Amino acid sequence: EIVLTQSPGTLSLSPGERATLSCRASESVSRNYVAWYQQKFGQAPRLLIYDASSRATGIPDRFSGSGSGTDFTLTISRLEPEDFAVYYCQQYGNSPFTFGPGTKVDVK
Amino acid sequence: EVQLVESGGGLVKPGGSLRLSCAASGFTFSVYTMNWVRQAPGKGLEWVSSISSGSDFIYYGDSLRGRFTISRDNAKNSLYLQMNSLRAEDTAVYYCVRAGATGSYYRDWGQGTLVTVSS
Repeated sequence: EIVLTQSPGTLSLSPGERATLSCRASESVSRNYVAWYQQKFGQAPRLLIYDASSRATGIPDRFSGSGSGTDFTLTISRLEPEDFAVYYCQQYGNSPFTFGPGTKVDVK
Repeated sequence: EVQLVESGGGLVKPGGSLRLSCAASGFTFSVYTMNWVRQAPGKGLEWVSSISSGSDFIYYGDSLRGRFTISRDNAKNSLYLQMNSLRAEDTAVYYCVRAGATGSYYRDWGQGTLVTVSS
């Protein structure tokens, strides 16, 4: 089973700042099949990025994904007030599909 | 608009059973792989089970195999999860999730239904 590690655990930033979230896999993810999800308190997760770098329908272009192999990154170019949430990465290249523990982005 | 509406959650005693349902609408249910993903209170996300469009391929998380059974009825646009021998650690919000068209990412999520296993 591939274990995903996300860092940092918490990222404290101000609106307008750039956020860089890391997701590292214990082994190479097949075909770079990594997705990112956003979850706000009391809500279901929402798909942001799939296939490491493809934005899901309706996701603003301030969200971008990159990476390959074992190292993947979610970047939020300029934080909007609604972006403060928990972000999870997921790999679906190797069964069983697994999630990272999440990075919380909160207001500094 | 895609809608996934879960039902069937509630309080159950350890060792008991529950059957979750998910009513899907707004897309052609019969062509998509469907999933259950759960989230224990204050914890992260855990994949539970997946079922292919025609029910040919079914998968479970290692800790769940033998206790949970996923199924679907394409004529009713519905997904199910039969949960037996429930344990306290099965307490979680259970989400019904549609997979992506091109891969096993989780494209659309229901609002979730809470299952609490407690005596």
